[in-house]
Amino acid sequence: QSVLTQPPSVSGAPGQTVTISCSGGGSNIGSHAVKWVQHLPGTAPRLLAYYNGVRPSGVPARFSGSKSGTSASLAISGLQSEDEADYYCAAWDDSLNGWIFGGGTRLTVL
Amino acid sequence: EVQVVEAGGDLVQPGRSLRLSCTASGFTLSHHIMSWFRQAPGKGLEWVGFIRRRAFGGTTQLAASVRGRFSISRVDSSGVVYLQMDRLKSEDTAVYFCAREGDSAAISPADWYFDLWGRGTLVTVSS
Repeated sequence: QSVLTQPPSVSGAPGQTVTISCSGGGSNIGSHAVKWVQHLPGTAPRLLAYYNGVRPSGVPARFSGSKSGTSASLAISGLQSEDEADYYCAAWDDSLNGWIFGGGTRLTVL
Repeated sequence: EVQVVEAGGDLVQPGRSLRLSCTASGFTLSHHIMSWFRQAPGKGLEWVGFIRRRAFGGTTQLAASVRGRFSISRVDSSGVVYLQMDRLKSEDTAVYFCAREGDSAAISPADWYFDLWGRGTLVTVSS
């Protein structure tokens, strides 16, 4: 069981907006920045956002990260078929003294 | 091309050792902290450990699940980072990824982020 809690799956039609939640605690999200990673099995994972919502170069503005208290979320607008992948939130945890991930959310584009 | 490529994954018996490599190209390895992650079959991503830059002592930190069995080293002149895995267990079966930290000026690991990942190499621990 992951320390950070994400929904196992979300889905949406092309063009719609979906939001993936990530719930943690005071020793992780409550104290540190959240990162979001996209992973299509068999390929290299891709960083989508860091420092809660900063996008690396090349990541479309359709991907938007935010944080409030001990929770974070990733919104994906204008859904496209190539967005189908697994999405993970991550943060440093002071109690475990290491990086922790959410269990991952599988996005299906209908 | 800026990339990292993992190699060395194999089928190995429980209790044996294996060394993975991560070869960097297109950037100066010595400028970056490097991390290892893994994904067990049907599971999510898990952090394994990281190694700091030589300029900051090249020290390492490992997850509790592998501490005392795994170690990380780097040879910047060759552009390679290693993950030495000893006393392997069946639960170590996973795809192992290496990743580059993008903000090596940050002192706290909490502020680091992994901006470049490889495609991974499969390690299977089974008799």
